[in-house]
Amino acid sequence: EPEVTQTPSHQVTQMGQEVILRCVPISNHLYFYWYRQILGQKVEFLVSFYNNEISEKSEIFDDQFSVERPDGSNFTLKIRSTKLEDSAMYFCASGLAGGTNTGELFFGEGSRLTVL
Amino acid sequence: DQQVKQNSPSLSVQEGRISILNCDYTNSMFDYFLWYKKYPAEGPTFLISISSIKDKNEDGRFTVFLNKSAKHLSLHIVPSQPGDSAVYFCAARNQAGTALIFGKGTTLSVSS
Repeated sequence: EPEVTQTPSHQVTQMGQEVILRCVPISNHLYFYWYRQILGQKVEFLVSFYNNEISEKSEIFDDQFSVERPDGSNFTLKIRSTKLEDSAMYFCASGLAGGTNTGELFFGEGSRLTVL
Repeated sequence: DQQVKQNSPSLSVQEGRISILNCDYTNSMFDYFLWYKKYPAEGPTFLISISSIKDKNEDGRFTVFLNKSAKHLSLHIVPSQPGDSAVYFCAARNQAGTALIFGKGTTLSVSS
């Protein structure tokens, strides 16, 4: 069964360092997303990506964040200068969306980011 | 600004009984509502969804009910099984976009 895969599963970094989280969405999906979950809190939307550009973003997704689809399969989230409060589980998701689609998104297992 | 609210952080149910998880929303522009299940250290897994033009959708042991006038939906699990123990997230999609907005989740514990 197709699945969304994410790497790394866990990354520890020093405050101020750049981090890149990687995702391989399901191959025939057109919409890609990043979400995050701070420990004990809800799953929060960060950004969606369609047709090689950002289609929606939340207030959390400020200038320190960027996304890219560098080739036909990978989808990355870059955090330029990490802060302590960026420590969270980051989930990548993909979906077909549009039209009569039910809106279902498929999530990866997450990348845990710890900022020290 | 909580557009999707799950006011019960936890629910405990005995095996074989019904589990009812509740969700309220504030945005009239949501066109789909979804329930996701999440185990620790895993990503959310889709369970069931319902369109805003329907009031009920059933899939095996899982039924979702939507009351648009009350802006309320619920997930019924019958019969509950110990393997259902997980965090359940209610999510909604705005018809103007494709992103899902999640509630804070309800931790369901099913005891045998």
